[in-house]
Amino acid sequence: AQTVTQSQPEMSVQEAETVTLSCTYDTSESDYYLFWYKQPPSRQMILVIRQEAYKQQNATENRFSVNFQKAAKSFSLKISDSQLGDAAMYFCAYILVGSARQLTFGSGTQLTVLP
Amino acid sequence: DTEVTQTPKHLVMGMTNKKSLKCEQHMGHRAMYWYKQKAKKPPELMFVYSYEKLSINESVPSRFSPECPNSSLLNLHLHALQPEDSALYLCASSLTGSEQYFGPGTRLTVT
Repeated sequence: AQTVTQSQPEMSVQEAETVTLSCTYDTSESDYYLFWYKQPPSRQMILVIRQEAYKQQNATENRFSVNFQKAAKSFSLKISDSQLGDAAMYFCAYILVGSARQLTFGSGTQLTVLP
Repeated sequence: DTEVTQTPKHLVMGMTNKKSLKCEQHMGHRAMYWYKQKAKKPPELMFVYSYEKLSINESVPSRFSPECPNSSLLNLHLHALQPEDSALYLCASSLTGSEQYFGPGTRLTVT
């Protein structure tokens, strides 16, 4: 069975600074996707960034980037130039390649952005 | 457009009531999902529909009854719920089975 672990229940960052959220996962499969989702207080789950396991290049979306270490099964999210609107619960998630598969979520990291 | 809509936003129901949650997407996605989420916890998968057929049922009690009338619409029928069923109910859809796009959720309170 696949598992996703987020070891930081809470993190805080000063506005305009950089923060890194950690995620590790366990799988015996080789073909999968990894995601970071953001859930602000409004409770809408928003896709932040996606990484295909077969790609060596780390995904980047504006101020958000990942450090994907496939051998170490590590998938961290770096948020640069943090903004107040980045405050949210962040979930790391894993899914096997294929249709209508189940997302496996980590337990989440609550990020606070300090003005 | 990556929009999934859900209605209602909030729902309060008694334990003897029958109500339904509705989810809609017009992105041409052929997989749709129902999740239940408690506060400060990750979403828990309830049901998956693939090409309008139920493909995964995660041992959900029969008081929850899903329905997929067409490729754009997903319903969750609720009957005789318990207070512990109070939660945020999220709908999601996906095209290729990779990223799932979530709706804003229905916050359900069972009294």
